[in-house]
Amino acid sequence: AQSVSQHNHHVILSEAASLELGCNYSYGGTVNLFWYVQYPGQHLQLLLKYFSGDPLVKGIKGFEAEFIKSKFSFNLRKPSVQWSDTAEYFCAVNSKYNFNKFYFGSGTKLNVKP
Amino acid sequence: GAGVSQSPRYKVAKRGQDVALRCDPISGHVSLFWYQQALGQGPEFLTYFQNEAQLDKSGLPSDRFFAERPEGSVSTLKIQRTQQEDSAVYLCASSLRRDPNEKLFFGSGTQLSVL
Repeated sequence: AQSVSQHNHHVILSEAASLELGCNYSYGGTVNLFWYVQYPGQHLQLLLKYFSGDPLVKGIKGFEAEFIKSKFSFNLRKPSVQWSDTAEYFCAVNSKYNFNKFYFGSGTKLNVKP
Repeated sequence: GAGVSQSPRYKVAKRGQDVALRCDPISGHVSLFWYQQALGQGPEFLTYFQNEAQLDKSGLPSDRFFAERPEGSVSTLKIQRTQQEDSAVYLCASSLRRDPNEKLFFGSGTQLSVL
């Protein structure tokens, strides 16, 4: 079965600091990769996704993620965080051959201090 | 509506009680998903519908869990004889097309507490 690991459960940063959230997955086949974000009091929403092609993908609000196939990783980055980035971030993966099932990591809570 | 709507927002049930959770997807969305999110965990897949057809129910944890989408729009997740371990947030999501690699739109969830 597929699994997704997010090793940072809680991250605290000051505004303008750089962010990198780790995501590793275990699956032997071809996968699609996603980052979802949940702002306080809001529902989960898509931040960015990778299907194929350029392993560096850019999403909304200045976020980007890099797919490193050899490391089974899809880390999320942002050069300079803002207070409004305070949220919980979930990495997710699905198989290209059974794409109905998304597997989510346990989430990383990001707290940005103003 | 503008987004995926779930009701009730909160549900408290006594152990052994049956509950029904409702999901109104975005109008016209073909695919509908139910996820269970326990405290401190990420969402876990329960089941998937394409229109009215339940194509994957492999994530339902026991035969006490039942989901339906009879007319291909509104869906109901029913849990019979609730247990404490059923306490979680139940999330519904929908997507426009048959390809779920399209963006999933999530509802705000129903927080179920079983006492």
